[in-house]
Amino acid sequence: AQSVTQPDIHITVSEGASLELRCNYSYGATPYLFWYVQSPGQGLQLLLKYFSGDTLVQGIKGFEAEFKRSQSSFNLRKPSVHWSDAAEYFCAVFRGGGKLIFGQGTELSVKP
Amino acid sequence: EAQVTQNPRYLITVTGKKLTVTCSQNMNHEYMSWYRQDPGLGLRQIYYSMNVEVTDKGDVPEGYKVSRKEKRNFPLILESPSPNQTSLYFCASSYRGDQYGYTFGSGTRLTVV
Repeated sequence: AQSVTQPDIHITVSEGASLELRCNYSYGATPYLFWYVQSPGQGLQLLLKYFSGDTLVQGIKGFEAEFKRSQSSFNLRKPSVHWSDAAEYFCAVFRGGGKLIFGQGTELSVKP
Repeated sequence: EAQVTQNPRYLITVTGKKLTVTCSQNMNHEYMSWYRQDPGLGLRQIYYSMNVEVTDKGDVPEGYKVSRKEKRNFPLILESPSPNQTSLYFCASSYRGDQYGYTFGSGTRLTVV
């Protein structure tokens, strides 16, 4: 079955440290991949997306993600985390038609 | 402002009392969808629509109905709500799916007692 896995339920990093959130997908064709962020009490905001071309994609708020077909991964990175980045992050894959499938989410805490 | 609007934001109801959560988008998007969010399960798709009068089941459609009579509106109907439908619900819309992704509303927190 086509699916998305985020292995880390909760990650804590210190402010100013680098961040990498993992995402693995299972999909037969070239995937359309997304990262969303959900701040407490808010809806989901699109951070970035990949659908073709350059495998390193830049997003909003200083985030980037790298698509690695050989590893079926689409990990999210940020060189220096800010306290305002504390939120829940979701990886998602478009499965065709209107079906967008989400991972379970990774909650990010930021230590001062 | 381009947005997806859901109403109400919060709703407490009793088991078996029919309810409707409304969703409207002002971006002329073709696709619309409903999700529910539960702790540890992420977001699960309930129904989606690729055009007016075209709807299809997502991964958790049981106990829900939808309709798409106009392009901008996509209401979610719970004919006989049960406590296991207590959840946070999101409506979303997309220009055409695929690489466009979905734009999400602010959510409706539903409690069924």
